[in-house]
Amino acid sequence: GAVVSQHPSWVICKSGTSVKIECRSLDFQATTMFWYRQFPKQSLMLMATSNEGSKATYEQGVEKDKFLINHASLTLSTLTVTSAHPEDSSFYICSARDVLIYEQYFGPGTRLTVT
Amino acid sequence: AQKITQTQPGMFVQEKEAVTLDCTYDTSDPSYGLFWYKQPSSGEMIFLIYQGSYDQQNATEGRYSLNFQKARKSANLVISASQLGDSAMYFCAMRDTGNQFYFGTGTSLTVIP
Repeated sequence: GAVVSQHPSWVICKSGTSVKIECRSLDFQATTMFWYRQFPKQSLMLMATSNEGSKATYEQGVEKDKFLINHASLTLSTLTVTSAHPEDSSFYICSARDVLIYEQYFGPGTRLTVT
Repeated sequence: AQKITQTQPGMFVQEKEAVTLDCTYDTSDPSYGLFWYKQPSSGEMIFLIYQGSYDQQNATEGRYSLNFQKARKSANLVISASQLGDSAMYFCAMRDTGNQFYFGTGTSLTVIP
């Protein structure tokens, strides 16, 4: 099956710093990628839809200046958490939609801890 | 409005027994897809089974089957012959015509030896 990778798989950073998370589709092209956030024992909440070559679409309540998304190529989208705070600690999952067969595949997730 | 409802926050099942995880959905789209994912403690979302809204037969994948009742808008997951490795969170999800996913709140399944 199609593979989506995320890097890093986990990261610990200090409050006030920025963290970049990468989402890559390894064997297919993805014009659209999705970023989710999952707090402990809760469901996945869509944060934003990342479109290759254009601006991301953010869900209501998600600060676009805090969660910067860049989708510069058909296989890579990045999420940068700027000026991270402890409340940003969460599990971040991306998914990528195959441009040819329109299926979505999830990455393994990135666990962010802000101290 | 909540699109996906999972009313069982936690379930227990004896090893080798079958278990049903409930899921109801709400949509006015004529075409949609229903998914079940397993999320172990590692966090990865593992695809289990898919049911299209126009599929006449219930989907099956090995020990997983989806009991699709379109008129009731339910898509329950049945796991047969439970194994210890089945202990995990299970999420029901719906994909609408805009290809956006909506997830339920999940059910934590514990398989008892």
